[in-house]
Amino acid sequence: EPEVTQTPSHQVTQMGQEVILRCVPISNHLYFYWYRQILGQKVEFLVSFYNNEISEKSEIFDDQFSVERPDGSNFTLKIRSTKLEDSAMYFCASSAPHSGANVLTFGAGSRLTVL
Amino acid sequence: RKEVEQDPGPFNVPEGATVAFNCTYSNSASQSFFWYRQDCRKEPKLLMSVYSSGNEDGRFTAQLNRASQYISLLIRDSKLSDSATYLCVVNIPQVGSNYKLTFGKGTLLTVNP
Repeated sequence: EPEVTQTPSHQVTQMGQEVILRCVPISNHLYFYWYRQILGQKVEFLVSFYNNEISEKSEIFDDQFSVERPDGSNFTLKIRSTKLEDSAMYFCASSAPHSGANVLTFGAGSRLTVL
Repeated sequence: RKEVEQDPGPFNVPEGATVAFNCTYSNSASQSFFWYRQDCRKEPKLLMSVYSSGNEDGRFTAQLNRASQYISLLIRDSKLSDSATYLCVVNIPQVGSNYKLTFGKGTLLTVNP
């Protein structure tokens, strides 16, 4: 079964450092997403990406965050200067052309710990 | 009112029990509804979509009431492997033609032997 793969599975970083989380969506999917889940809290939408541009972003996705699809396969989330409150599980997801923004397949997540 | 609100739980039930989860959503223009399942420290996985006519998949039955903006999930003959957090998910329209999948906080189910 095709899957969304994410790296790293866990990253520990110091406050103020830049972090890049990487995702390889399912190959024929056209819609890409990042969500995050702070421990014990709900899954929160960060950003959606389609046709090489951001289609929607939440209020969480401020100037410290950026996304890129540099080479047609990877989809990255960059946090420019991490804060303690950025500690969370970050999930990448993708969806197929026919399902639009409906049925998402999630990756296993990247756990970010900011010290 | 929260965009997507679920029973807070947790639910602890014996094997074989029937358990029901409820969810309400605030935006009446929402078009698509889903139940996802999330195991501890894992990613959410689609359990089933929810259709207006109601739909069933084995032991799982999902219902949608658009008038009341209410979604439910019924699990019959619960198994130990059903223990997980159940997430109500609603596709909420945004500005323009965009939609955003919005998650409820989830309801934790523990099925006991």
